Amino acid sequence: DSGVTQTPKHLITATGQRVTLRCSPRSGDLSVYWYQQSLDQGLQFLIHYYNGEERAKGNILERFSAQQFPDLHSELNLSSLELGDSALYFCASSVAPGSGQYFGPGTRLLVL
Amino acid sequence: DQQVKQNSPSLSVQEGRISILNCDYTNSMFDYFLWYKKYPAEGPTFLISISSIKDKNEDGRFTVFLNKSAKHLSLHIVPSQPGDSAVYFCAASVNSGGSNYKLTFGKGTLLTVNP
Repeated sequence: DSGVTQTPKHLITATGQRVTLRCSPRSGDLSVYWYQQSLDQGLQFLIHYYNGEERAKGNILERFSAQQFPDLHSELNLSSLELGDSALYFCASSVAPGSGQYFGPGTRLLVL
Repeated sequence: DQQVKQNSPSLSVQEGRISILNCDYTNSMFDYFLWYKKYPAEGPTFLISISSIKDKNEDGRFTVFLNKSAKHLSLHIVPSQPGDSAVYFCAASVNSGGSNYKLTFGKGTLLTVNP
C-alpha cells in the first residue's frame, strides 16, 4: 500500500459525458501528479500540482483539467469524453523534489 | 519522440539467476532516474532511483547502474525470485527547479522469473 488513494476504482461512462477522478496523496506529500496509461502509449504524464499550484503540464488535452485543494487532495476532470479516453489514470505523490513518486492503484475508465 | 526506451518488451530468467533490465534515454537533460515495478491491476511501485551524479546505487537485491556517456541505465536483480515477475518501468526526470519532477516513462519490460 503506497498510501495514495484514488476513487473510483472503475468508471464506465458514455461518449460526451464528464467524469471526475479523485486522488488523496500520502500524508505530508505536497506534490500530486496525474498520469494516463493507455495500451499503446504507456504511462504519459498529464499534469503536476505542488501545494495547490499547477507546476507543469504534459500531454493533457484541453478537455481535461485538474486542481489541487487546500487539503492537498486533487481532482482530474475529464469532459466531452471520447472512446480514446479509455485508459488507466494514475495519481502519484511525492514529498520533495528528488524523491520517488508513489502511485495510487489507479482509476480504470471505460468510455462506451 | 520516445525519450526513454526499453527495447526488450519481455525477459525470462530462472529463479536464483541474475535479471538485467535495460533502459536507454535520449534527453541529456535528464538528471534523475527511477525504476518502478508494476503488477496487474495495481499502480507502479517505486523500487530504486539514481541521481546523475552517481553511477551505481544498491538496495538489497536491486542495483541500478548509470552510464551517462552511453545514456544507458540498467537494473540488476540478484538473485531473482518468482515474486519479482512483473512489468518493470524505467523513468527519468529533469530537475527544472520549483519542485517540478514530471516523470517520462519507458514502455516497460515484462520480467518472468521461472521456478
